[in-house]
Amino acid sequence: KQEVTQIPAALSVPEGENLVLNCSFTDSAIYNLQWFRQDPGKGLTSLLLIQSSQREQTSGRLNASLDKSSGRSTLYIAASQPGDSATYLCAALNSGGYQKVTFGTGTKLQVIP
Amino acid sequence: DGGITQSPKYLFRKEGQNVTLSCEQNLNHDAMYWYRQDPGQGLRLIYYSQIVNDFQKGDIAEGYSVSREKKESFPLTVTSAQKNPTAFYLCASNPTLGGNQPQHFGDGTRLSIL
Repeated sequence: KQEVTQIPAALSVPEGENLVLNCSFTDSAIYNLQWFRQDPGKGLTSLLLIQSSQREQTSGRLNASLDKSSGRSTLYIAASQPGDSATYLCAALNSGGYQKVTFGTGTKLQVIP
Repeated sequence: DGGITQSPKYLFRKEGQNVTLSCEQNLNHDAMYWYRQDPGQGLRLIYYSQIVNDFQKGDIAEGYSVSREKKESFPLTVTSAQKNPTAFYLCASNPTLGGNQPQHFGDGTRLSIL
């Protein structure tokens, strides 16, 4: 059974700092890995999706990497801004006959002005 | 704009009552999902549907029921058999089941017990 872990559960950084969020998974037979952002009381917004054959994806100030052999993914946020404050979740999609997405519990990020 | 609409935003349930959460999408997606989110826990899959008139149980289907009579609609009923229904419920969709496309989410319904 796939397990997805995100550490730390919460992170507070000053504005302008570069930061890395971590995601680890136990079953490396994944189809893809997604990073989401969730604002309080809202749904999830997809940030980046990395296919199993890829090593990284970039969008603006965000860069996500994937290392299947070690069961790890990281989300790098450059030059953090107060508007980046949110909970960030990763989710692993496992291969199989049906879609099985396993979500981590998230890292709550606060960027202090 | 294309997207997923969940309603209501807040819902209250009395003891012994069934309640239905609405999920409508205009993205022309085949696959739709219902998740439950509790504090400190990741999202857990309740039901999913690959196509109209087809749906499958997820990890925590007990006490819930769904229907998929139309492509754009996937309502979730929380029955009186669900003894701990207080949670944030999220509906999601994908163009196809198991594809390499990002999941789209609605803004959720928060269900509480009266």
